[in-house]
Amino acid sequence: KAGVTQTPRYLIKTRGQQVTLSCSPISGHRSVSWYQQTPGQGLQFLFEYFSETQRNKGNFPGRFSGRQFSNSRSEMNVSTLELGDSALYLCASSLGVGTFNTGELFFGEGSRLTVL
Amino acid sequence: AQKITQTQPGMFVQEKEAVTLDCTYDTSDPSYGLFWYKQPSSGEMIFLIYQGSYDQQNATEGRYSLNFQKARKSANLVISASQLGDSAMYFCAIDIGEKLTFGTGTRLTIIP
Repeated sequence: KAGVTQTPRYLIKTRGQQVTLSCSPISGHRSVSWYQQTPGQGLQFLFEYFSETQRNKGNFPGRFSGRQFSNSRSEMNVSTLELGDSALYLCASSLGVGTFNTGELFFGEGSRLTVL
Repeated sequence: AQKITQTQPGMFVQEKEAVTLDCTYDTSDPSYGLFWYKQPSSGEMIFLIYQGSYDQQNATEGRYSLNFQKARKSANLVISASQLGDSAMYFCAIDIGEKLTFGTGTRLTIIP
């Protein structure tokens, strides 16, 4: 079956702009979570959605937001971009019934954002 | 809060040798999952192996096995017969409630 698809793969923005990233989960998966990866902070949890509802949120400012659609696809948005937002943004999909019971948690290839 | 520690920032291993990547964790929650991911230079996080906290046996997936020592809160990844393609960053992560906390990773380099 198809894996997790993230678009766009690469993008360049300037400070103050906003960006929207998209994630299509594996068919049948209802939970989508987002992570930010930077050289300085490593991998950090942003938020997680299940059935169009945000269930968990990491420690990020309100400029970072997301949503999930009825088909489980998810988008995340970053407004008023800052240089420090340059990162690899990874999306992961899971069944959503408790990954510690199933181990079903798979990542996409990521969207690499560069802010100039 | 849960915490994951990977104490080896980098490792160099001869091709065909076995390698053990260390991972310790700290959580008070009795139910959790432990994951290992491989991240090549392309950036994708590739799932390798999973161990549930209630699993009685150590997980194995092909050349990968997880040495799970619950009392010591240790979940080391063992790669048998290493290959050049194993060169990558390796991350250990703990999952509680659909939220992964990652370690800082180990950069593994396989030497021909």
